[in-house]
Amino acid sequence: DTGVSQNPRHKITKRGQNVTFRCDPISEHNRLYWYRQTLGQGPEFLTYFQNEAQLEKSRLLSDRFSAERPKGSFSTLEIQRTEQGDSAMYLCASSFFSGIRSGANVLTFGAGSRLTVL
Amino acid sequence: AQKVTQAQTEISVVEKEDVTLDCVYETRDTTYYLFWYKQPPSGELVFLIRRNSFDEQNEISGRYSWNFQKSTSSFNFTITASQVVDSAVYFCALSSMDSNYQLIWGAGTKLIIKP
Repeated sequence: DTGVSQNPRHKITKRGQNVTFRCDPISEHNRLYWYRQTLGQGPEFLTYFQNEAQLEKSRLLSDRFSAERPKGSFSTLEIQRTEQGDSAMYLCASSFFSGIRSGANVLTFGAGSRLTVL
Repeated sequence: AQKVTQAQTEISVVEKEDVTLDCVYETRDTTYYLFWYKQPPSGELVFLIRRNSFDEQNEISGRYSWNFQKSTSSFNFTITASQVVDSAVYFCALSSMDSNYQLIWGAGTKLIIKP
């Protein structure tokens, strides 16, 4: 396994267009996370999945943002009607969660997908 | 409320100098975890260490060492004999049941190692 893979690495789009990012996690991992990172800031949590179930989505930035993980493997993050403020790095991470008693997981991150909205 | 503060926005040192990156955290939970991640210019966040709140022993891994002090709510990171390849942004993060084990991130410290 080569780690967490994200595509595309860089996307330039015009305001109002839809964009979709894909994340392929480490195959043994059951949790998948999406973060957004803007320049000079730490990652900002968006949503996460355990297998195919989306366990938290209230932190998605607006109803223009949606994420899916249909078969519990890869995931997609879609942004509809992009705005210039959506320009950022979108990070995907995965982890293996073995139960609440295992405490906090170590997340393995992908290289990110950089979005530029013109 | 939970919070992680990395007061140093940017640090610049000459190669071979020792450098310490500060991290101060806030949480009401008695069980929590602290992390350090490195983000080199390539952009990929790389895990460095996870420490739980019950283990206050300092940790050393090669040129890296971590000093965890619950009394001051700090989890500082020291690089000894820094190298140019250490140049990166370093993030400290906190996780606990109060945040449903989601990571609370600091703003990061940009470390520049000059040759």
